[in-house]
Amino acid sequence: KAGVTQTPRYLIKTRGQQVTLSCSPISGHRSVSWYQQTPGQGLQFLFEYFSETQRNKGNFPGRFSGRQFSNSRSEMNVSTLELGDSALYLCASSLSGDRAYEQYFGPGTRLTVT
Amino acid sequence: DQQVKQNSPSLSVQEGRISILNCDYTNSMFDYFLWYKKYPAEGPTFLISISSIKDKNEDGRFTVFLNKSAKHLSLHIVPSQPGDSAVYFCAASAQGTYKYIFGTGTRLKVLA
Repeated sequence: KAGVTQTPRYLIKTRGQQVTLSCSPISGHRSVSWYQQTPGQGLQFLFEYFSETQRNKGNFPGRFSGRQFSNSRSEMNVSTLELGDSALYLCASSLSGDRAYEQYFGPGTRLTVT
Repeated sequence: DQQVKQNSPSLSVQEGRISILNCDYTNSMFDYFLWYKKYPAEGPTFLISISSIKDKNEDGRFTVFLNKSAKHLSLHIVPSQPGDSAVYFCAASAQGTYKYIFGTGTRLKVLA
């Protein structure tokens, strides 16, 4: 079974631009979560989607948004990029998103904002 | 407010010895806990989990202990191997929240 895939793997953007990251979950997984990882901060939860519905979101500004499609693929968008948005963005999928099901992570998208 | 804390940023252990990684949490609603391992340039990989109805879970060389009264969990790796060198994250979740809260990670180095 193919793992979680994320595209692109690396991205360089300029302050003020916007960016869209893509995540394809493991086949059969309907829950997709997004995390931001920065040095010293661990993984910070962005949001979780299940069957195209956002069920929870973390403490991030409205510039961060996401969506999920009917095939469970998900995208996240960051508008008006700031230098502090430079991070590794990780996507994880699980069967249902319930706490009893472990999440499987993709390799991440490394975003650099200059 | 860091609800899940890993107070040791790094740990070095000799090959063959025990590695003990610690994690503390503050939210009493957390009822499921996981450990992940992360190598550079890869996403975290699930290692082992434990439900709050248990106090121990074992999988091969990996054992997780949960002390609910102290709001503390630990991961024991015995024996430690050089390939275990990675960053280890603990994570916690509460029923119905559909999200995991991660600690900041502990970098384990196993010396040959």
